[in-house]
Amino acid sequence: EVQLLESGGGLVQPGGSLRLSCAASGFTFSSYAMSWVRQAPGKGLEWVSAISGSGGSTYYADSVKGRFTISRDNSKNTLYLQMNSLRAEDTAVYYCAKDHEGSGSYLAVGAFDIWGQGTMVTVSS
Amino acid sequence: DIQMTQSPSTLSASVGDRVTITCRASQSISSWLAWYQQKPGKAPKLLIYKASSLESGVPSRFSGSGSGTEFTLTISSLQPDDFATYYCQQYNSYSLTFGGGTKVEIK
Repeated sequence: EVQLLESGGGLVQPGGSLRLSCAASGFTFSSYAMSWVRQAPGKGLEWVSAISGSGGSTYYADSVKGRFTISRDNSKNTLYLQMNSLRAEDTAVYYCAKDHEGSGSYLAVGAFDIWGQGTMVTVSS
Repeated sequence: DIQMTQSPSTLSASVGDRVTITCRASQSISSWLAWYQQKPGKAPKLLIYKASSLESGVPSRFSGSGSGTEFTLTISSLQPDDFATYYCQQYNSYSLTFGGGTKVEIK
């Protein structure tokens, strides 16, 4: 079964750091670009960052550029999101998501066909 | 960034109704558009990709159409399991962006 399982969320003070992980199973992890998408409480979806299958290319939303770093370890089938200088507006459920091979995008990522269950990040003093 | 605008933001409908949700892009995105369904406390589920391609396992009552800047998601006969929030997403350019969502409620 294809599955993504996030971990690492929690409560952190403004200015603090947190590292999220996403363990993948059931597919050839290194063959697919991966993304992080977040959803603030009661709000819509916001794409955060993406990484190519090899890890050689990364992409970020302007709202997190310079503060967040996406990475992956293909030997461990795991995706990461290092979040530094956290702000109250970063409070959200963070989902990892797998790129849909058939979405046909010329970008590194297109549509997302598999999502994790999400991990909650709360930034508050 | 490309802005995605969905309408309506809320829709009240009955079981059996035909439902249409619109998504407009601030500039042309060709057919690089996906639709998702999300239920409370759950992750989004992919319904449609490349504007009109039905994801495997998704009921055929869901369909997508459009290209350029205007797109629609249609549910041909609303079922009890379809009451949820629906989002469009463009993948024509970075940053990838989502519409604000359309909540389909029971009338």
